This record gives sequence, structure tokens and C-alpha cells, in this order.
Amino acid sequence: GESVGLHLPTLSVQEGDNSIINCAYSNSASDYFIWYKQESGKGPQFIIDIRSNMDKRQGQRVTVLLNKTVKHLSLQIAATQPGDSAVYFCAENSYNFNKFYFGSGTKLNVKP
Amino acid sequence: DTAVSQTPKYLVTQMGNDKSIKCEQNLGHDTMYWYKQDSKKFLKIMFSYNNKELIINETVPNRFSPKSPDKAHLNLHINSLELGDSAVYFCASSPDRIMNTEAFFGQGTRLTVV
Repeated sequence: GESVGLHLPTLSVQEGDNSIINCAYSNSASDYFIWYKQESGKGPQFIIDIRSNMDKRQGQRVTVLLNKTVKHLSLQIAATQPGDSAVYFCAENSYNFNKFYFGSGTKLNVKP
Repeated sequence: DTAVSQTPKYLVTQMGNDKSIKCEQNLGHDTMYWYKQDSKKFLKIMFSYNNKELIINETVPNRFSPKSPDKAHLNLHINSLELGDSAVYFCASSPDRIMNTEAFFGQGTRLTVV
């Protein structure tokens, strides 16, 4: 998602529903992508990654989709739980130069 | 054991002061970073060190000086603090600058300049 005004874009979902968080990246040379989760008062935590030679990767309850044509990344969370409430960032990196650029973040709010 | 640890967690100081934030990683990683997160939660890289050598300096003011005494430590010293320096500063590490792998983040240092 894109930031609007001063606030993080927020996605509100009901507990048990599936969540989809989107990210547009900027560098067509980026070949490695990560989704991070940041809970309040903590540092970003790795969720899942994907390399540019793939278009889909699945983890436990999470799936990342990569569309290189439109430079778009999405994170799908199945059966969202209250513990999933956090800010989610996508990060992009280029091979051979370990510098991560972060997207602007999306706040996920899970309602019980 | 904490993988990437930063101290202090909170730092409140007056404009014009000089302060340091320390970071240590016990993961055996070669590469360490400093990131700044502003009030809008935007995370921006500041510095990257690989095996004690500076490899990235993202046009950060000279008032910010990183120091890496060994590859497990990357400290950040800030001179003449300004109000705009207020932010959360994150230290991170990753195994190698060549291989694309995740970065592990510390818990952050919330710096407030008054």
C-alpha cells in the first residue's frame, strides 16, 4: 500500500479472515524480496522471502506473490489471528549488494 | 540469548548534546547496519559495515559517525543533536553482503531530542 497523508495505510480484518497486503517496489534490478512484521515497540521480524526467479512462495499461513512485470509484491495471511496485528513492510534488495530498501508499511488491524 | 542487542532502548537528551548508541550481534554475521525509522514508520538505511569496513553511507550528515571495533559491534555516535534526529534507530545484521539473506533487527533505540 501507499501512504496517504500522515497515516500508515491500515487494513482491518476480522479474525479468521484472510488478509492481503500489497507492496509496489521501485527497482526493476531488485532480485530478492522480504516481508517483515513489526509489532509495537519491537524491531522488524522476518516473515518470508522470495527471489526473483520465483513468482510464489508459501510458508506457514503466509504466501508471497511476486509480479515482476508490474513490480508488485503481495503477502497473503490465511486465517488471520489477533497476534498478526502489526505493521508489515516489504523490502527489496539487489544481488551482490546487501542493502535493503523498505516500503512504506501497512498496518494490519485484526478485530476479534 | 538476544541475537542483535542495542543499548539504550530509550534516550532522551537536549539539543546540542553528543550521544552514542551501541549494537552487538552474536550471530557471527559479517554485515551490520543502522536504519532510522521516522514518525511515519518509514525505515531508511543509514550505514552498512562489512567485516568492520564501511560499505554504505546513505548521505547521512557528518554529525553521525558509525564505529565498528570488530565485526560483532557497530556503534553509532551522534554529535550536536538536533530536534530532527528524534526517531527510532535500528541496528541489524546479516550473514554476508554477497548472499541475499534476511537481516536480523535489534529492538530499536527511541531517541528523543528536546
